[in-house]
Amino acid sequence: DTAVSQTPKYLVTQMGNDKSIKCEQNLGHDTMYWYKQDSKKFLKIMFSYNNKELIINETVPNRFSPKSPDKAHLNLHINSLELGDSAVYFCASSRPGLSQETQYFGPGTRLLVL
Amino acid sequence: AQKVTQAQTEISVVEKEDVTLDCVYETRDTTYYLFWYKQPPSGELVFLIRRNSFDEQNEISGRYSWNFQKSTSSFNFTITASQVVDSAVYFCALRMDSSYKLIFGSGTRLLVRP
Repeated sequence: DTAVSQTPKYLVTQMGNDKSIKCEQNLGHDTMYWYKQDSKKFLKIMFSYNNKELIINETVPNRFSPKSPDKAHLNLHINSLELGDSAVYFCASSRPGLSQETQYFGPGTRLLVL
Repeated sequence: AQKVTQAQTEISVVEKEDVTLDCVYETRDTTYYLFWYKQPPSGELVFLIRRNSFDEQNEISGRYSWNFQKSTSSFNFTITASQVVDSAVYFCALRMDSSYKLIFGSGTRLLVRP
């Protein structure tokens, strides 16, 4: 009964490869997010979808493409992986509009590009 | 510009000491939301508290307490009688009413020694 889940938990791959990370939430939330945590622990938003519509797209290389097949899922596809993409990627979800709106995070996907 | 500053990079205390983690934020919005998240060594991000800008009441939850002061743009977090299990990185975050994205501080690593 995990609220926000991500797969895989760990991903080790070679430079130049294409990889995907999947996220699912069972909280009934309308909005989902991708955040990147770098090696210095700094957390920054990448994308957000509300009911399958892209609402936040920060300055992220276009090698990163999010896809939301439905409001419970938000996947992240990364093309032509580079060394600098090594990080922890967190998915989150929330239901904006509620007076106590809060983003709940998944366990993270640790990506290492060799 | 919106910004969150956690000036304490790392704090080390002995078990049972009280410790306060500082958070200073910047925003020109009149309505905003402040959060604290905990990231234990296992890596997940755990929501601790949310505070709305129009609610300056301090909050206590067990050994945890939060002091929100709009006059100094601060939202500090105190752990009373710290325990080894409190060892983690703690993040303060800000969200404006006009945006869904969380703006995180750089985090404070707390080490509680037995």
